[in-house]
Amino acid sequence: EAGVAQSPRYKIIEKRQSVAFWCNPISGHATLYWYQQILGQGPKLLIQFQNNGVVDDSQLPKDRFSAERLKGVDSTLKIQPAKLEDSAVYLCASSLDRGRYEQYFGPGTRLTVT
Amino acid sequence: GQQVMQIPQYQHVQEGEDFTTYCNSSTTLSNIQWYKQRPGGHPVFLIQLVKSGEVKKQKRLTFQFGEAKKNSSLHITATQTTDVGTYFCAGGGSQGNLIFGKGTKLSVKP
Repeated sequence: EAGVAQSPRYKIIEKRQSVAFWCNPISGHATLYWYQQILGQGPKLLIQFQNNGVVDDSQLPKDRFSAERLKGVDSTLKIQPAKLEDSAVYLCASSLDRGRYEQYFGPGTRLTVT
Repeated sequence: GQQVMQIPQYQHVQEGEDFTTYCNSSTTLSNIQWYKQRPGGHPVFLIQLVKSGEVKKQKRLTFQFGEAKKNSSLHITATQTTDVGTYFCAGGGSQGNLIFGKGTKLSVKP
């Protein structure tokens, strides 16, 4: 079974530039999550999709972050414009459904904003 | 908002010693999951606890869910160098999401 795929793996940009991350979840998984993990901390949920609808985006900084999952499969997360404090690993995860299901994480994208 | 606190932040042990990490929530959790993240890696699911007072074992790992479903622990017996990594607890939120603790980073000296 293929795992969660993410690209790119690494990205370095200057502040005020824009960047986009892509995620392809495990086939058949209805729920997709984007997390931000700052060094030394636990993953922080940015947005949760159920199929192509948003379930929770309460911690997404909507003035600069956006995400979509148009066909209920793969997803993109965009930051525009980036700030220094956005430097982190962005993890995508998927699960079979909402609730008490284990989450499968992708390898993450390490973003450095200079 | 809902928070999950985890202690200790770091734990250094000699190989063969035991290790325990604790997780606490201010609110009752519907479930709790534990993940392990190796250095440079991504979180990997270990186990889920759902019932009050539940205890589950995986070889040298023992997981407990408190009676009030507000706390949990992970205990590793006789640590090995392969146990190195950061262990996260994650409490079930109202939207079917997970709230992760900050993790306990375990290092094992051979």
